[in-house]
Amino acid sequence: QLVLTQSPSASASLGASVKLTCTLSSGHSSYAIAWHQQQPEKGPRFLMKLNSDGSHYKGDGIPDRFSGSSSGAERFLTISSLQSEDEADYYCQTWGTDFHWVFGGGTQLTVL
Amino acid sequence: QVQLQESGPGLVRPSETLSLTCTVSGGSISSDYWSWIRQPPGKGLEWIGYVFYSGSTNYNPSLKSRVTISVDTSKNQVSLKLRSVTAADTAVYYCARGSAVTPDYWGQGTLVTVSS
Repeated sequence: QLVLTQSPSASASLGASVKLTCTLSSGHSSYAIAWHQQQPEKGPRFLMKLNSDGSHYKGDGIPDRFSGSSSGAERFLTISSLQSEDEADYYCQTWGTDFHWVFGGGTQLTVL
Repeated sequence: QVQLQESGPGLVRPSETLSLTCTVSGGSISSDYWSWIRQPPGKGLEWIGYVFYSGSTNYNPSLKSRVTISVDTSKNQVSLKLRSVTAADTAVYYCARGSAVTPDYWGQGTLVTVSS
């Protein structure tokens, strides 16, 4: 079964960097994912599509501070030079061979 | 810049049909995939399904028996119908544009409460 696992919460200081992790279930380590950001009381925003080789393409207007990388079954979202507006929920999402979508449980990022 | 606006009743009675419309402005609906995703209060995101502008659809298996998503290209609208609703269907419902694998632009969402 295709499942995405995320830590429920993360925190980092203003101006620092943070690396969020999304882990694909066993047997699915080659899958690409997408990252979405949801700021408080807002609809989500597409950040990037991230492939298993670490290549990624970002959505319109996404700052260079946001980058993606991959290692095995793990997919990472790194945010550098953290700003207060980066405090949000971050969701990873993928799709199966039947193109059914699956979302991770989300990581709530707190900027200290 | 494309804009997506979800609309529909904010309150639906149990066992009835939830009907929402997504109006697309600033761009044509006659391309891309148009999806619906929901988020129960305080919880994560759940994919409902999507429709291609040609009318072909793909649904979440857990909701497939109750869901219909369709597109009206003449009105630039996408619609969602969810039948036989229960309190568990209470959520913010989002319309989104994208591809067959991911949404790349989301609406602001609309809250639907199922209650008698």
